[in-house]
Formats: sequence, structure tokens, C-alpha cells
Amino acid sequence: AQRVTQPEKLLSVFKGAPVELKCNYSYSGSPELFWYVQYSRQRLQLLLRHISRESIKGFTADLNKGETSFHLKKPFAQEEDSAMYYCALRSASGSRLTFGEGTQLTVNP
Amino acid sequence: DVKVTQSSRYLVKRTGEKVFLECVQDMDHENMFWYRQDPGLGLRLIYFSYDVKMKEKGDIPEGYSVSREKKERFSLILESASTNQTSMYLCASSLFAGELFFGEGSRLTVL
Repeated sequence: AQRVTQPEKLLSVFKGAPVELKCNYSYSGSPELFWYVQYSRQRLQLLLRHISRESIKGFTADLNKGETSFHLKKPFAQEEDSAMYYCALRSASGSRLTFGEGTQLTVNP
Repeated sequence: DVKVTQSSRYLVKRTGEKVFLECVQDMDHENMFWYRQDPGLGLRLIYFSYDVKMKEKGDIPEGYSVSREKKERFSLILESASTNQTSMYLCASSLFAGELFFGEGSRLTVL
């Protein structure tokens, strides 16, 4: 069974501060990991995926297979980063995505 | 742009009523999904479909059924709505192993 855990339901930081949203997973095979984001009154959308190894809107995430983690990081948070963030996992052979509980990030001015 | 359209944004139903939630996508995606979104629980997969007339149960299929008669349309059915099915329902579509594209959501309240 595959499982994704986001230990923080709420996270609040000040503008310009670093931010890290935690994601841990359990899966026996080779997973594919994603971060999805939902801004206020917008659709849920893909932020980044580990295989692309990109930085999107200043966010990066590194897959750590030893610690089974995929934490999302940004060195300097902006107010427009305030949103709900979901970590998600997909098995290498499948199409279904398993999501975590979500972390509501608030960036204060 | 991929467009996933959920026909009803807000619904209020009574306990025991039959409820249909409709979802249409316009990008010829093979996969379609229904999730429910609840605070503190995240997104939980109800059902998904990888082809016309093909479906698989997700993590919480009890009390729900689905229908996919055409590739672009995926319907979620609550045969007899109950108050614990009050939630936000999200439809999504994707190519195989691709990015999920979500609809705006259907907020269902069961009284």
C-alpha cells in the first residue's frame, strides 16, 4: 500500500523567511512524487514533480529515498505563496495518485 | 489548455436522494478520477477510470458508483446520499502517467 503523510496541517511564516513543507511517504517500489498547489478560489494544479528536477516559482523538492521524504522548500517566501499544498505519490506502474492531508501555508507581510 | 468541467458547483440534497455529479474533459485523456476533499484528510480517491466502461475502486468507494460511457465524461453517483457524504468533490483527468488536471469542484451538502 502507498501512503503519503504531511505532518503539518498549518504553517505560517513571514515574507522573506525560508519555508519548508514536509512530506513523507511509504511505498515499497520506486515512486514518483509530486507537489500540487491550490490557491484561494482556484483549481488544484501541479506545482512540480521530482523527475523534472525543476525549480518552479522558486520552490524546489528533492526526493530522499533513504528518509522516504520529498520536502518542498523555498528560500524566501512571498505573500502570493499562501495556498494549500498537497504532496502526492504515484507508483511507477500505475496511474492513480495518492495524496497527503495537505498543508495550509500562510505567508504574513 | 486542458479543460475539466464539473457541471454543478454547489448542490444541496436531502438524505436518501440519488445524486449525480458530472465531469467532462476536452483533451482526450484516458484517465479520469473522482476525489473527495475534506479538511485535515486531504484528497481521497473514490474511483478512477482508465478507459471507457473501465473503472477501478479507489480508497473510499463505499456508497459511490461511477459511469463512463464516453471517453470525455465521467459521472459519480451517490445512490442514497447520507450526511457523511457532505464534501467537496474533485474530478480530474490525465494521460497515462501524466499530470492530473482538476475541475473546479462540486460542493455537496446533504441535509
